[in-house]
Amino acid sequence: GAVVSQHPSRVICKSGTSVKIECRSLDFQATTMFWYRQFPKQSLMLMATSNEGSKATYEQGVEKDKFLINHASLTLSTLTVTSAHPEDSSFYICSASDRVVHEQYFGPGTRLTVT
Amino acid sequence: EDKVVQSPLSLVVHEGDTVTLNCSYEVTNFRSLLWYKQEKKAPTFLFMLTSSGIEKKSGRLSSILDKKELFSILNITATQTGDSAVYLCAGGGADGLTFGKGTHLIIQP
Repeated sequence: GAVVSQHPSRVICKSGTSVKIECRSLDFQATTMFWYRQFPKQSLMLMATSNEGSKATYEQGVEKDKFLINHASLTLSTLTVTSAHPEDSSFYICSASDRVVHEQYFGPGTRLTVT
Repeated sequence: EDKVVQSPLSLVVHEGDTVTLNCSYEVTNFRSLLWYKQEKKAPTFLFMLTSSGIEKKSGRLSSILDKKELFSILNITATQTGDSAVYLCAGGGADGLTFGKGTHLIIQP
């Protein structure tokens, strides 16, 4: 149980385009979803926390207009990287938490490469 | 389906004790095993292991990988209350990371 999927697993896009990453909880209702960014051999950096049906809470230094987060249902959250630049190339990981257990279940991550 | 199993799920010990956390994995096209410490917001990177039998150390923490038996352990010696956290392990494969559910470690004074 408690499976979280991400799609796509890898994406390559050109500079200036937008990319959408989906995070789905497959067998539970995720009241809260978290979006992280990871650079090689580094800690996960929390970008934002989203609760279903409300606006995401962004961490300091994360541009909310550049990283659009939508959590429209209890099983799906999306992260859209708008006008992507090469410096946005990274490994993006989502996690989901339900109301009952409060544990975080992590997705497999999405590797974004912006050329 | 890739799978990472951590044990125990929860552990309560006294300050000064030594603990061993376990992580077994089944990951397609396995590349690396990562350990994180999660206290509040985001998991903090501890170790990345790619080679079998080579211990990595950082202060009181150490970790080793056994690629034949498909497991890793994380050791913490002389535990302190600040070590209380959820410790996550993740197996890195071709399609990304597969996380375990974590071990919730509580260090009592």
